[in-house]
Amino acid sequence: AQSVSQHNHHVILSEAASLELGCNYSYGGTVNLFWYVQYPGQHLQLLLKYFSGDPLVKGIKGFEAEFIKSKFSFNLRKPSVQWSDTAEYFCAVNARGGNQFYFGTGTSLTVIP
Amino acid sequence: NAGVTQTPKFQVLKTGQSMTLQCAQDMNHEYMSWYRQDPGMGLRLIHYSVGAGITDQGEVPNGYNVSRSTTEDFPLRLLSAAPSQTSVYFCASSYSANEKLFFGSGTQLSVL
Repeated sequence: AQSVSQHNHHVILSEAASLELGCNYSYGGTVNLFWYVQYPGQHLQLLLKYFSGDPLVKGIKGFEAEFIKSKFSFNLRKPSVQWSDTAEYFCAVNARGGNQFYFGTGTSLTVIP
Repeated sequence: NAGVTQTPKFQVLKTGQSMTLQCAQDMNHEYMSWYRQDPGMGLRLIHYSVGAGITDQGEVPNGYNVSRSTTEDFPLRLLSAAPSQTSVYFCASSYSANEKLFFGSGTQLSVL
């Protein structure tokens, strides 16, 4: 079975600080990678996804993530966070051609104005 | 466009009771799935379906039952509720198992 690890459980940053959230997965085959975000009181929604091609993918609201195959990692980054980025962030993976998504335990981000 | 609709939003059950969580989508998605979200555990897949009439188990299927008689609906049944099933439940759908998921707003379930 696949697994996804998110190393940071709770992150607190001041506005304008840079953000990097770690995500590692365990699966030897080809994978699709996702970051989802859950803003307070809202549905989970997709931030960005990687299927193939350029390992640096850009998503909504200035977020980006880099797929490093050799490290089985897909870390999420944002150069300058805003108060509105306060949310819970989930990394997810599924095997190419597979039917199951595996989610990490989530990282709660609090941005202080 | 309603997207993915889950009902109810909140539910309290007594141990041993049964109930059905409803999930409907209006996007003609083939893939539908149910997750539970527990503190420190993230989202864990309970059951999924790749089309009407086809369902399969995820990571944590015990105590839950599903069926998919139409493309639109994917209800989750708790057969005999247990306190360990206290959780927030999310339904999600997508065009296929490799595409982005669209989530419902969740059902907060407490089993006493």
